Formats: sequence, structure tokens, C-alpha cells
Amino acid sequence: EIVLTQSPGTLSLSPGERATLSCRASQSISSSYLAWYQQQPGQAPRLLIYGASSRATGIPDRFSGSGSGTDFTLTISRLEPEDFAIYYCQQYGNSPQTFGQGTKVEIK
Amino acid sequence: QVQLVQSGAEVKKPGASVQVSCKASGYTFTRYYMHWVRQAPGQGLEWMGIINPSGGSTSYVQKFQGRVTMTRDTSTSTVYMELSSLRSEDTAVYYCARAKDDILTGDVHAAFDIWGQGTMVTVS
Repeated sequence: EIVLTQSPGTLSLSPGERATLSCRASQSISSSYLAWYQQQPGQAPRLLIYGASSRATGIPDRFSGSGSGTDFTLTISRLEPEDFAIYYCQQYGNSPQTFGQGTKVEIK
Repeated sequence: QVQLVQSGAEVKKPGASVQVSCKASGYTFTRYYMHWVRQAPGQGLEWMGIINPSGGSTSYVQKFQGRVTMTRDTSTSTVYMELSSLRSEDTAVYYCARAKDDILTGDVHAAFDIWGQGTMVTVS
């Protein structure tokens, strides 16, 4: 099983600042089958990024993904009030599919 | 619009079974794999397994083998997830989630683009 470790656990930032979230895998993820999701309290997750760097439909371009192999990054260029949430990475290339433990982006 | 609508909250006794339904609309049901993911209170996301709505084939996480059954009804575009021998640790929100790529692409690997609203299952 591939273990995904996200860091930091919590990121305290102000609106307008840049957020950089990390996801490290215990082994290489094939074909960049890595996704990022945003989850607001009491809501289902929302797909932001798939294939490590492709934005999902309707996702603003302030969200970007990068990385390959075992190291991946989600960047939010300028935080909007609605971006404060929990973010999860997921690998879907190996079974069982696994998620990271999440990074909470909170208002400083 | 494309959506997944799940059944309502459930409260079950330890040892009982629960069935959660997930009705799809707005797209061709048999063309997209469906997954089940759960989230315990205050915890992260846990993948449970996948079903092919076309042929009905399934694959489950080993942790749930023998306790989980995923089925589908193509006449109503609904998938079901039944979990048996419930214990307190199964208390969670259960989500169905659609794989974003058409099965006809031949690649089972796809992120989850559409999620149900979640079904709270409480075991107590």
C-alpha cells in the first residue's frame, strides 16, 4: 500500500497570500495518478487537480499542481476567503487507492 | 446536471448490516466506474472499493473483504453498498464517487469528479 504523507498539517495564512501544500508518497506513483481535493466543513470533497497537474472542470487557475514520482505540490497562488478548507491528495494508480491525512488551510 | 444522490442517515446496532444507495443522474450510468469512500468523524478519507456499473464486477479493499458488498441496478441507475457485522469503528460518513473517465477509455485509473452528498452511518 502506498502511504501519502501531507505537510504541513496546518497552514495559517492570510487572504491574498500564497499557499504551498506538499504530498509525499512512500513509493513512486505510476503515470502521475495523483489528485488533489478540497473539502469544506460538512461537504463532500471536490476534485481540484488530477494527473498531478491538470485542473478539473471549473477550477480557478489560482490552483495549480506539480510534481512526479514521489513528490507532489498543490499551490494556491492567492488565497480567496473560500479557499480556507482541508486539502487531500490521493493516489489512484495502485490498489488500494489511498489518501493523505490532509492539510488544513486556516485564516491567520 | 450530473449528480449522485445518496440515501439518508442510518443508526444501527453493533453486529447489524447497513445498505447505502447512490442514485446517478445526468449521464450514462454504465459508462463510469463508481467508488465508495468513507470518512470517520474528524478523520481523513478512506477508499473502500470500486464497482463497474456495466458488468457489476467489483474490487474491495482487503480490510473490508467479507463484510462489504457493492451492487448496482442498471434499471434505476443506482449503486448500493452494504456493510455487515457493523462495529463502532464503522461510524462514518459514506460517500459514493464517480470516476471521471469513461470506461471505454480502457483505463480504470481515474480521479473522482462527482461525489454524492454523503450518508452518515452511526453504529451504537
